[in-house]
Amino acid sequence: GAGVSQTPSNKVTEKGKYVELRCDPISGHTALYWYRQSLGQGPEFLIYFQGTGAADDSGLPNDRFFAVRPEGSVSTLKIQRTERGDSAVYLCASSLAAGPSYNEQFFGPGTRLTVL
Amino acid sequence: AQSVAQPEDQVNVAEGNPLTVKCTYSVSGNPYLFWYVQYPNRGLQFLLKYITGDNLVKGSYGFEAEFNKSQTSFHLKKPSALVSDSALYFCAVRDAGGYQKVTFGTGTKLQVIP
Repeated sequence: GAGVSQTPSNKVTEKGKYVELRCDPISGHTALYWYRQSLGQGPEFLIYFQGTGAADDSGLPNDRFFAVRPEGSVSTLKIQRTERGDSAVYLCASSLAAGPSYNEQFFGPGTRLTVL
Repeated sequence: AQSVAQPEDQVNVAEGNPLTVKCTYSVSGNPYLFWYVQYPNRGLQFLLKYITGDNLVKGSYGFEAEFNKSQTSFHLKKPSALVSDSALYFCAVRDAGGYQKVTFGTGTKLQVIP
């Protein structure tokens, strides 16, 4: 079956521009997560959704970052006024549900963002 | 707060030899522990998890990991390394009583030498 997909695979932008990164989770997965992976680092949690609502956005670094999931499926991570420090691979993952019980997270291939 | 430490940036092992990739964790409650592997230009792939039960967990591709509560460790092991095992390995943890927020380590590059 289809896994988590992310588009675009690569995005090059200029400092100060606005970018949108898209994630298509596995069908039927109600939980969706965004991570950021900088060079030489492990994935860093940004935000997760249970359905349409952001259940935990404590990892978003500042108010330039925002994510939506209006219909409980596809999610878009939006970055305003990009800075060079935003350059990283942005990973999306999905799972059957979120909460105290465990559900394995399945990761997409990531979007490599480069801010010039 | 929860955290993971992977003390080795890189591990080199000869093909056919046993391998160990180290991981220690810190979490306030009971841990859920995971290992993921990342190949170049590919997404993270799940290897194995510890939720409860037996301390020795078996996963994909012949990997296993041992949960040691007293040492707060979850080292990844394989009895006989393959060249194709060369990749970046991440240990991760979350608090069993909390939500699905997972904290990853910084990764260990495994190089299997033919």
